[in-house]
Amino acid sequence: AQTVTQSQPEMSVQEAETVTLSCTYDTSESDYYLFWYKQPPSRQMILVIRQEAYKQQNATENRFSVNFQKAAKSFSLKISDSQLGDAAMYFCAYNGAYGGSQGNLIFGKGTKLSVKP
Amino acid sequence: KAGVTQTPRYLIKTRGQQVTLSCSPISGHRSVSWYQQTPGQGLQFLFEYFSETQRNKGNFPGRFSGRQFSNSRSEMNVSTLELGDSALYLCASSVFGQVNEKLFFGSGTQLSVL
Repeated sequence: AQTVTQSQPEMSVQEAETVTLSCTYDTSESDYYLFWYKQPPSRQMILVIRQEAYKQQNATENRFSVNFQKAAKSFSLKISDSQLGDAAMYFCAYNGAYGGSQGNLIFGKGTKLSVKP
Repeated sequence: KAGVTQTPRYLIKTRGQQVTLSCSPISGHRSVSWYQQTPGQGLQFLFEYFSETQRNKGNFPGRFSGRQFSNSRSEMNVSTLELGDSALYLCASSVFGQVNEKLFFGSGTQLSVL
């Protein structure tokens, strides 16, 4: 069975600095999708960034980028120029490309990110 | 477009009761999935519906059930509530529920079982 591990329960960053959140996963599938979701106090999960396993290039979305290491099964999220609004729970998630649907995500336990002014 | 709407936002029930939660997806979205979020277990997939058919189901007891209507709105029902059912229940929608689609989440229903 696939698993997703986030080893940092909490992280803190100074405003305008850069922070990296870690995620590792385990799977025997060759093709899959990885995601980072943000959950602010409003509780609504918001997709931050998505990576397709067959794409070697790391995904980027404005201040958010990932370091995807397929062989190491590692998928870290880098937030540059951190802003107060980035404070939230961040969840790493996995979905196999075959036999499943987008709804059947496997989530890590999350990392709570605090941003200090 | 309106986002995913979940009602009610908060709910308090006692053990043994049953509860029904509602989710209205974004207009045009045909796939609705449900997740349970607890501090201990994190986010766990409950089930997914597409065009009124359950397409996928997580590892939950039969007390947890759901359905989807022809307008894509979905309900989930939990019968014979237990204390451990206290959780945030999140609903998410997408057009076809394919793995390469973006999922849109609602703000959840916080269920407390006393």
